[in-house]
Amino acid sequence: SQQGEEDPQALSIQEGENATMNCSYKTSINNLQWYRQNSGRGLVHLILIRSNEREKHSGRLRVTLDTSKKSSSLLITASRAADTASYFCATVPLMEYGNKLVFGAGTILRVKS
Amino acid sequence: NAGVTQTPKFQVLKTGQSMTLQCAQDMNHNSMYWYRQDPGMGLRLIYYSASEGTTDKGEVPNGYNVSRLNKREFSLRLESAAPSQTSVYFCASRGEKLFFGSGTQLSVL
Repeated sequence: SQQGEEDPQALSIQEGENATMNCSYKTSINNLQWYRQNSGRGLVHLILIRSNEREKHSGRLRVTLDTSKKSSSLLITASRAADTASYFCATVPLMEYGNKLVFGAGTILRVKS
Repeated sequence: NAGVTQTPKFQVLKTGQSMTLQCAQDMNHNSMYWYRQDPGMGLRLIYYSASEGTTDKGEVPNGYNVSRLNKREFSLRLESAAPSQTSVYFCASRGEKLFFGSGTQLSVL
């Protein structure tokens, strides 16, 4: 079964608004990563947050991690039409051989201009 | 740098045919992965290779075989394709984060 589950499944907002996506996972992790996928393309890494970090920023992206609740959120501020994509969280389970990343089903974000 | 190169981009097979998806990376990564992506299901791990000479099953290995030919190359083979293997396949390699190929859209009729 999948380790990470994103919420909501789909999100539609106006350009300029903020978008928040959530991810829950099941087992203890080394780190959690967020990826973006534009339609028909491969996934692109956005940001990585380690299990001992609580918050991380990268440009318009802000990621939080709550290991006690086994959850993470991705905030995109001042969204743009170009942010329209699917967003996936992926976790590296603790002590997992091969450092496998396990992906959730993703959140589809649509930013309307 | 090309990153992760994956071929072919598109393929149509008849049930029972075989094919090999090729993947190569130029980032000197030890770990390489094959995922499949189906609508509403995210990415599911088929096989991975933690280092040259080793391969291990992921979540959905049935119907697939892999070969880690050398550090650069990791191929995925479908010996007898089935309609349930219609999917988009992604190869990836990993330092701390994953780098993905552009995907193979496979249809099995």
